[in-house]
Amino acid sequence: GAGVSQSPSNKVTEKGKDVELRCDPISGHTALYWYRQSLGQGLEFLIYFQGNSAPDKSGLPSDRFSAERTGGSVSTLTIQRTQQEDSAVYLCASSLVESGHNEQYFGPGTRLTVT
Amino acid sequence: SQKIEQNSEALNIQEGKTATLTCNYTNYSPAYLQWYRQDPGRGPVFLLLIRENEKEKRKERLKVTFDTTLKQSLFHITASQPADSATYLCARGSTLGRLYFGRGTQLTVWP
Repeated sequence: GAGVSQSPSNKVTEKGKDVELRCDPISGHTALYWYRQSLGQGLEFLIYFQGNSAPDKSGLPSDRFSAERTGGSVSTLTIQRTQQEDSAVYLCASSLVESGHNEQYFGPGTRLTVT
Repeated sequence: SQKIEQNSEALNIQEGKTATLTCNYTNYSPAYLQWYRQDPGRGPVFLLLIRENEKEKRKERLKVTFDTTLKQSLFHITASQPADSATYLCARGSTLGRLYFGRGTQLTVWP
């Protein structure tokens, strides 16, 4: 019955390393979204999963970014060969209805720092 | 491009006053707009949704309007309190389900 959870809450990594960020959406929510928020900036859309449909990857900034959603539930966002500009808070959200009319429920985010 | 803009980066008001935040859109007509609140170190929290055929919607001390002529939504907090201090985000939906967010307005309510 809990909300959206994300792990880890904080991640510090060295430039060039790969990182995996995890999102557990609210049970039963069919849609899952990943956003990125840099310091003082707005929310930047990354990727959107809806049921069994092909994901909308149009927001991924480069081919170093990828995401998957297993079993229509948990999602993992992977960043390969991290760069300093990847440092940001990565937010995951889920919603019940694909139309977007319903509200999105956000997790607390993962703060990624690339040194 | 289909932009959604929140004109004020920051708004400072005295406790008890009404805070009014603005969200403008250009080059399209969204079917609905959503408003979220974000506190530091937290994810956004949904507050209200207003559809294009609705002029106004209320929830406790919150009121949202939608003016399709002006291409604008106003978000009001009446009898504001210091606890209302946060960043407020406006977002428009799309037929594909994703949201497009504005950059947000940081509201500070001082005693």
